[in-house]
Amino acid sequence: DAKTTQPNSMESNEEEPVHLPCNHSTISGTDYIHWYRQLPSQGPEYVIHGLTSNVNNRMASLAIAEDRKSSTLILHRATLRDAAVYYCILRDVYAGGTSYGKLTFGQGTILTVHP
Amino acid sequence: DAGVTQSPTHLIKTRGQHVTLRCSPISGHKSVSWYQQVLGQGPQFIFQYYEKEERGRGNFPDRFSARQFPNYSSELNVNALLLGDSALYLCASSPVTYYNEQFFGPGTRLTVL
Repeated sequence: DAKTTQPNSMESNEEEPVHLPCNHSTISGTDYIHWYRQLPSQGPEYVIHGLTSNVNNRMASLAIAEDRKSSTLILHRATLRDAAVYYCILRDVYAGGTSYGKLTFGQGTILTVHP
Repeated sequence: DAGVTQSPTHLIKTRGQHVTLRCSPISGHKSVSWYQQVLGQGPQFIFQYYEKEERGRGNFPDRFSARQFPNYSSELNVNALLLGDSALYLCASSPVTYYNEQFFGPGTRLTVL
């Protein structure tokens, strides 16, 4: 599995934008970039995913570098509820065999949001 | 709509015992995956089942096994428990043909003494 690198922790103030970086220099052409987050005492939840173009949804935006070796998850206005561990995950769109449906989580970034 | 449900919420076992964890996927989801999350680390993939067949397996010993039932619910079994098996066990379900988003349950916290 291609590896991702994220900062261990980041801090933000409530109602300010947050940019969470992820490096994936060994990404392959068929790897999608996924972001999940895990709130305290809960299972992970899907945030967003993309392949090449920037993506937006109701939760966040995903900015993907032109060479796809890095990406940034953008929370436009952080709230206290956004305090969580954020995971950047690469997933091969053609994943099959023993990798079928597998998500490979790293350590993630612990986001702290201050009131 | 109900999300992924798991039972029990918490469980305490002693070394050498056997444990069975249960998962009910979201209605209409036919794929179920299991993950182990040790404190302070990200979840690690254990198994994926689709249509009652194993479709993926992570790097876990044979003490770990699972199965999926006709109603798509699933069980994870762990034999000969070790202290290192203490973790949060997460179940995730996915729609039939759309694997880009997995829906996770709240997990079962297993403590092995």
